[in-house]
Amino acid sequence: SSELTQDPAVSVALGQTVRITCQGDSLRSYYASWYQQKPGQAPVLVIYGKNNRPSGIPDRFSGSSSGNTASLTITGAQAEDEADYYCNSRDSSGNHLRVFGGGTKLTVL
Amino acid sequence: QVQLQESGPGLVKPSETLSLTCTVSGGSVSSGSYYWSWIRQPPGKGLEWIGYIYYSGSTNYNPSLKSRVTISVDTSKNQFSLKLSSVTAADTAVYYCARERIQLWIDYWGQGTLVTVSS
Repeated sequence: SSELTQDPAVSVALGQTVRITCQGDSLRSYYASWYQQKPGQAPVLVIYGKNNRPSGIPDRFSGSSSGNTASLTITGAQAEDEADYYCNSRDSSGNHLRVFGGGTKLTVL
Repeated sequence: QVQLQESGPGLVKPSETLSLTCTVSGGSVSSGSYYWSWIRQPPGKGLEWIGYIYYSGSTNYNPSLKSRVTISVDTSKNQFSLKLSSVTAADTAVYYCARERIQLWIDYWGQGTLVTVSS
């Protein structure tokens, strides 16, 4: 079981806004980072820190956090955003371990 | 541009030791700004953090794998390595090496290598 909890699947209509969430006690103290993974490919960082995008990531991707929940929002979802999304952060043990959420499969309709 | 490349056997027999190496180019494993990590993904499943090593040699491992995992670093070759002992079919996965910034995000991943545990 994962200490970071994600909904297994989410869908969004093309061009609409979708929020993918990640819940965990450690998120009260640490930011989550978010990764997009398409079939057969390595994950790609899309959001890190408070709300930062690496170079090359479209500005329709944004991040936020409140309490024990981190969120990844895609504003105006595109067909190419269909992918698995994973959150990652420290665990809540205080031992500097890392943990991934179980992943969310995003379908763009 | 930083690149990471995993190498090692794609097939390992049950009860044996899985050994993988990650070669880093465009950056140095001796940098104090990063952790050098291993992550795996069983077929059709999610990502699992295995552990990381700092350039100093200090390590941190997933408690569920800790008794079987060793991560080491070779600064002279700009490589770091993973050893996982007593493997079973449950260890079949794509194994990724990655660079994690100490501020808690992974900015570079290797392409991944599939390791199958089978006799």
